[in-house]
Amino acid sequence: EGQLVESGGGLVQPGGSLRLSCLASGFSYSTYWMAWVRQAPGKGLEWVTNIKQDGSEKYYVDSVQGRFTISRDNAKNSLHLQMNGLRADDTAVYYCARSRVSGLKVKPNWFDIWGQGTLVTVSS
Amino acid sequence: HSALTQPRSVSGSPGQSVTVSCTGTSSDVGANNFVSWYQQYPGNAPKLIIYDVTKRPSGVPDRFSGSKSGNTASLTISGLQSEDEADYYCCSYGGTYTVIFGGGTTLTVL
Repeated sequence: EGQLVESGGGLVQPGGSLRLSCLASGFSYSTYWMAWVRQAPGKGLEWVTNIKQDGSEKYYVDSVQGRFTISRDNAKNSLHLQMNGLRADDTAVYYCARSRVSGLKVKPNWFDIWGQGTLVTVSS
Repeated sequence: HSALTQPRSVSGSPGQSVTVSCTGTSSDVGANNFVSWYQQYPGNAPKLIIYDVTKRPSGVPDRFSGSKSGNTASLTISGLQSEDEADYYCCSYGGTYTVIFGGGTTLTVL
C-alpha cells in the first residue's frame, strides 16, 4: 500500500529556515512523482511543489518560488523541502504526498498516499 | 491560478444524496479531465476518493461519484451516512505541472 512519514517541523522565527523530510516505504519510490501540500490552521489545502521521478523537473506555487527547494534521494527513499525566508503565512501542516499522473502527456495531478503531516510554525 | 470555488458547507439527512460543486476556469477544470476529490476528517490527512473526474480508488464505496460539466466538477454522495461528515476538497491540474485545490466544503449529516 505504501507509507509516508514526515519529520522536521517546528517553531522558527520569521526569516528563518527549516528542512522537512519525508521517508517513503512500501512502494517503488523512484518511479513516482512526489509532492508537498500544506494546510494553514483552519484553512484549505494548498499544493506547494512537486518533483519528477529522477529529480530533473521541479515546480512550485508562486508564493514559495525562490524561497523553497524540493529535492529527493531515491537511494534513501526520501523527499525533502528546504524552506528559507520563512514568513508567518507559511505556517501550516506540511504533507508529503505521492503524486499520480493522468493522460497521455503524464500530468501529475492527484495524490493517492499522504503522510500524517508535520507542523511548521513561523512566529517570533 | 486562484483556488477553485466550492460552497463552504452542505448538509443532508442520512440516506439522502448531496452534491458538492467545484468551479474553476477553462484553464484548469474545464481544460481536461484531471479533477480529483479528497475527504478529510479533523486532525487527519486527506484521503483520495475520486480521480480523473469519475474514477474511484479501490476501497472507496460506490456511494461516492464524480462528474464534470464545462468548468464545474461535482462530487455526489448518495445514501448519506453519519461517517460521511467531513471536509471535502476538489483538486485540478492547473497547467505547467501545477495543481490547484478548492477552498473545501464541510459536509454536515443532520
